[in-house]
Amino acid sequence: EVQLVESGGGLVQPGRSLKLSCAASGFTFSNYGMAWVRQAPTKGLEWVATISYDGSSTYYRDSVKGRFTISRDNAKSTLYLQMDSLRSEDTATYYCARPIITMMVLITGGYWGQGVMVTVSS
Amino acid sequence: EIVLTQSPTTMAASPGEKVTLTCRASSSVSYMHWYQQRSGASPKLWIYETSKLASGVPNRFSGSGSGTSYSLTINSMETEDAATYYCQQGSSYPDTFGAGTKLELK
Repeated sequence: EVQLVESGGGLVQPGRSLKLSCAASGFTFSNYGMAWVRQAPTKGLEWVATISYDGSSTYYRDSVKGRFTISRDNAKSTLYLQMDSLRSEDTATYYCARPIITMMVLITGGYWGQGVMVTVSS
Repeated sequence: EIVLTQSPTTMAASPGEKVTLTCRASSSVSYMHWYQQRSGASPKLWIYETSKLASGVPNRFSGSGSGTSYSLTINSMETEDAATYYCQQGSSYPDTFGAGTKLELK
């Protein structure tokens, strides 16, 4: 069974940093690209970043480029999101997501973790 | 980036009622995917590649559409279907989601 367990969230002041982790199990982690998706309180879903299966390629939404860094440790089956220079608009629940891959497409949100809340406030 | 517009924003349906949710894309996409998110829970992939049901999804659900117009239909509303449904496209970078339709039980 695929399991994704996020940790590392909390309350942080604007301008400070936080690092999220996502521990994966139930599948061969090193075979899959992974993503972070966030959801601001009472709002919709928003893709944040994606990393390739081997970590060689990373992609970010414009609003987090230069501030967030996605990375992975395949030996530990763990995904990370380093968040620097945090802003109030980064306040959200952050989900780790594993894709499913069909004959036709890659679907980012095949499996989701339970999410971790990040609150940016003074 | 492709903007997905879902309608209605909120709706209520009675048990047994037929429900149709729509998602319109600002540019043509090859496929649409749908997620169900119950209150306080993580999203779940519900329909993928426009019309394929994810594992465990009841067959009262169906999906259809092409180009810029897609829909999710529930043949006969049940209590457990009350949730927010999001459409998502991955045809064009970056992945984008609709703002969601909140479906309530009447």
